[in-house]
Amino acid sequence: RKEVEQDPGPFNVPEGATVAFNCTYSNSASQSFFWYRQDCRKEPKLLMSVYSSGNEDGRFTAQLNRASQYISLLIRDSKLSDSATYLCVVTPNFGNEKLTFGTGTRLTIIP
Amino acid sequence: DADVTQTPRNRITKTGKRIMLECSQTKGHDRMYWYRQDPGLGLRLIYYSFDVKDINKGEISDGYSVSRQAQAKFSLSLESAIPNQTALYFCATSEDSVKNIQYFGAGTRLSVL
Repeated sequence: RKEVEQDPGPFNVPEGATVAFNCTYSNSASQSFFWYRQDCRKEPKLLMSVYSSGNEDGRFTAQLNRASQYISLLIRDSKLSDSATYLCVVTPNFGNEKLTFGTGTRLTIIP
Repeated sequence: DADVTQTPRNRITKTGKRIMLECSQTKGHDRMYWYRQDPGLGLRLIYYSFDVKDINKGEISDGYSVSRQAQAKFSLSLESAIPNQTALYFCATSEDSVKNIQYFGAGTRLSVL
């Protein structure tokens, strides 16, 4: 089983719709969780960290479910500019600073 | 100007050649990383460094070496390039281990023929 698994997509979603995707992780001791965004042929950029209580940043909401070992990203009122690949990133445990990256979920917003 | 700068941005080379990819940063971060990205495999860590005197192997260090010449500079070398090292290479920095938020350079696209 991969340490971090994501549905590669693509998710093709009409503009204005709500879209959500999950990421599962295998190490129950994992401590830190992030969503990064990567545009085609560009570098990954941090979208948001994921906190235990869940967190929201504008149209984006991230949730952590430790019991089922997954994190989720919800995008509301999707924009054309949201088209990108979304990478789930996990830090295995405290003291291990190496991040584990998922392969990404590709999202395309359709006009 | 970019905070994390990689050079070259694109490189085509032949099997057996020695290649150096350079990374410099103006963020003042101590921690620097080299990753490669391949389709369907995600980013994989090659080497990382927490300061000038510190070098650590990552997940896939075989066939690579690094040099941390200064806090701001971290270079990656392929001693004898082979075709399966064709990939997109990213340098990254982070400020600390608590948040461990990574800031990436724009990437170097390397093709080994």
